[in-house]
Amino acid sequence: GQSLEQPSEVTAVEGAIVQINCTYQTSGFYGLSWYQQHDGGAPTFLSYNALDGLEETGRFSSFLSRSDSYGYLLLQELQMKDSASYFCASPGGQNFVFGPGTRLSVLP
Amino acid sequence: DTGVSQNPRHKITKRGQNVTFRCDPISEHNRLYWYRQTLGQGPEFLTYFQNEAQLEKSRLLSDRFSAERPKGSFSTLEIQRTEQGDSAMYLCASSLDPGPGELFFGEGSRLTVL
Repeated sequence: GQSLEQPSEVTAVEGAIVQINCTYQTSGFYGLSWYQQHDGGAPTFLSYNALDGLEETGRFSSFLSRSDSYGYLLLQELQMKDSASYFCASPGGQNFVFGPGTRLSVLP
Repeated sequence: DTGVSQNPRHKITKRGQNVTFRCDPISEHNRLYWYRQTLGQGPEFLTYFQNEAQLEKSRLLSDRFSAERPKGSFSTLEIQRTEQGDSAMYLCASSLDPGPGELFFGEGSRLTVL
């Protein structure tokens, strides 16, 4: 089976940097994905790490350490529109399991 | 728009009634997933298709739930004898296998059971 853990809430101010952590336990591991979901909207893909290391996409970066069963999403130059829920997810062979989500609130 | 399409977007039903949701994935995608999401929670995996074959079904899914993908294109999710606990957003997602670990989600079908 698979399980992923994330902090439930994070708060930061506009312009700041925030890191959202994800730890996982899986019987088979194929990488770690990150999704953003605004209230009332559908989850949208942000990034995917198949290998250890850092992946950068604009203001967002994602990191994976397989040896530590750990990853994080780093959001830089926070904007108000980044207020949303963020989910780590792992494609575990046949299914695709999501973490419980971290609600990010960006304050002015 | 060639994204994932779901309908109906909202469904209100009385307890004990049957409901069916439809998902039209991105046309070239061979994988299709159904998830259930309640407020403040992450998407909960329900079932998964590779083309027309249902390859995995969550152990949390009772026998009141059934899903089909008859020709490897659109899919339906049926809930029989609905209960109030079935009230949730039902999300469909599709992907291409092999792919970069990205699921494309529809806007979801919100079910309210009275």
